Amino acid sequence: SQTIHQWPATLVQPVGSPLSLECTVEGTSNPNLYWYRQAAGRGLQLLFYSVGIGQISSEVPQNLSASRPQDRQFILSSKKLLLSDSGFYLCAWMGEGTSGSSSYNEQFFGPGTRLTVL
Amino acid sequence: AQKVTQAQTEISVVEKEDVTLDCVYETRDTTYYLFWYKQPPSGELVFLIRRNSFDEQNEISGRYSWNFQKSTSSFNFTITASQVVDSAVYFCALSVPNDYKLSFGAGTTVTVRA
Repeated sequence: SQTIHQWPATLVQPVGSPLSLECTVEGTSNPNLYWYRQAAGRGLQLLFYSVGIGQISSEVPQNLSASRPQDRQFILSSKKLLLSDSGFYLCAWMGEGTSGSSSYNEQFFGPGTRLTVL
Repeated sequence: AQKVTQAQTEISVVEKEDVTLDCVYETRDTTYYLFWYKQPPSGELVFLIRRNSFDEQNEISGRYSWNFQKSTSSFNFTITASQVVDSAVYFCALSVPNDYKLSFGAGTTVTVRA
């Protein structure tokens, strides 16, 4: 079965410090991978997604970046954190399946990283 | 482009009451998939259900039931006899074939009071 890991679980960082959040998926190959951010009491904002190694699509221009150095590894980074980067960061992978004659896409989420920038 | 609207921001009920969460979607695709996710206080999103556009049968899973109506573009979710453990944020989402992204609604926070 597939599992998705994220670390760290919680992080407190000062403004201006760098960031590196890691996500890994087990039990599947060549998954589509996603980074979401959820500000306190808000909905999910898609930040980046990747359909393969080295392929990154950015949804929202900001001071964050993403990389996919290996098939099942997705990293979210920043050179200098802002206060507004505080939030809950979720990694997800998309699985494909079939239902009858139709295919579908479904996203599975990791446990998340709670980032507080002070 | 796809859009999902969850008009209810917060719902508060007393234990054992029923609660219905509304979800209205927009898409030009004739084939699409609808989802509900639960986000408990721990934060992790838990998949609850997927429904294909060509299957309008309603579904029941324990105390959870879903009402899919293409005529009104709605995919509503009902929790029967709510319990405190049902307290969470619930998200409705939509995807279409060959699109790598899910379109999420803003979420509805459900608080069940003992």
